[in-house]
Amino acid sequence: DIQMTQSPASLSASLGETVTIECRASEDIYSNLAWYQQKPGNSPQLLIYDANSLADGVPSRFSGSGSGTQYSLKINSLQSEDVASYFCQQYNNYPWTFGGGTKLELK
Amino acid sequence: EVQLQQSGAELVKPGASVKLSCKTSGYTFSNYYMSWLKQMPGQNIEWIGNIYGGNGGTGYNQKFKGKATLTVDKSSSTAYMDLSSLTSEDSAVYFCARRDVYYGLFDYWGQGVMVTVSS
Repeated sequence: DIQMTQSPASLSASLGETVTIECRASEDIYSNLAWYQQKPGNSPQLLIYDANSLADGVPSRFSGSGSGTQYSLKINSLQSEDVASYFCQQYNNYPWTFGGGTKLELK
Repeated sequence: EVQLQQSGAELVKPGASVKLSCKTSGYTFSNYYMSWLKQMPGQNIEWIGNIYGGNGGTGYNQKFKGKATLTVDKSSSTAYMDLSSLTSEDSAVYFCARRDVYYGLFDYWGQGVMVTVSS
């Protein structure tokens, strides 16, 4: 199985700050990567797919980048509603696997 | 509007089985795969498997073969997951999620259902 390693596991940032979350795959996943946002008590919501494509309705302050085994999610101008956990997921190989998550809090 | 409505929380005894449901609306059920995923408290998300709404064809994560059985009822646009021989390790939140037409990503999710295995 492809292992997905996210960093950091938790992150504290101020309103208006830019935040970056990293995701590393154990092998090349050819940009077959998605990012999800999960607010407390809710189900995950798709943010980014194909490493850098914004899902419908997602604010433009979210962006994704990367290739090969290294990917990142950037949030520009952090808003209070961005407090959540974020997960990466590879869909290059079965079984599809997720990163361990990054919990984002306000400083 | 696409909606996935899951059944309510379950409290089950060790060794028992439980059947979870995921009733859909707002899209053509038979044109999509439905996946099921597991999330233990504060932990990673695991993909269990998926089932095609059109013909019931399935694919499972090897880890969950023998534990989970996926079925569909096209007439009611509902997906089901049976979990068998439950242990404390099966206590988790289980989500159904619609799989994208082309790729293995999940564009709509149910609200999740908590399964607690306890005597």
